[in-house]
Amino acid sequence: KQEVTQIPAALSVPEGENLVLNCSFTDSAIYNLQWFRQDPGKGLTSLLLIQSSQREQTSGRLNASLDKSSGRSTLYIAASQPGDSATYLCAVDSNYQLIWGAGTKLIIKP
Amino acid sequence: GAGVSQTPSNKVTEKGKYVELRCDPISGHTALYWYRQSLGQGPEFLIYFQGTGAADDSGLPNDRFFAVRPEGSVSTLKIQRTERGDSAVYLCASSDGVAGGSYNEQFFGPGTRLTVL
Repeated sequence: KQEVTQIPAALSVPEGENLVLNCSFTDSAIYNLQWFRQDPGKGLTSLLLIQSSQREQTSGRLNASLDKSSGRSTLYIAASQPGDSATYLCAVDSNYQLIWGAGTKLIIKP
Repeated sequence: GAGVSQTPSNKVTEKGKYVELRCDPISGHTALYWYRQSLGQGPEFLIYFQGTGAADDSGLPNDRFFAVRPEGSVSTLKIQRTERGDSAVYLCASSDGVAGGSYNEQFFGPGTRLTVL
């Protein structure tokens, strides 16, 4: 049974720092991995999708990597801004169901 | 439409009542998914539609939960005899990819917050 874990559960850093969020999964047989952002009381915004054959994806200040063999993905955020404060969730597509981590709550201090 | 929409945004009901939650997917998306998110947790899969049929309903917690998508577009999640434990945010997503393909990006609606008193 696929399980997804995100570490840390919460992170608070000063504005301007680069940071890394971690996601691990137990079954490497995945179709893709998605990173989402969730703001309080709001829906989910897709940030990046990495296909199973890819190693990384980039969008602006965000870079996500995928290592299927070790069951790990990282989300790198460069030059963090207060507007980046949100909960970040990773989800793996294991046969069309998305299996989710519990998220990392990120606070960027001005 | 421009994105996935869900109605109502909030629903408060009493224990034992029946509720319906509606999802309008992105126009042309053939796949539709329902998830449930409890406070402080990631979403949990409930059911997946491909077209009009439920391809997988293994995530529905019990027979009080049922979902339909009669014309392959709008979907309704129905909950009978609601219980306090049903309180959660119910999320709907749609995609245009082939489920199980490596590029099956799911786009989410804002969710319906259900509170059962």
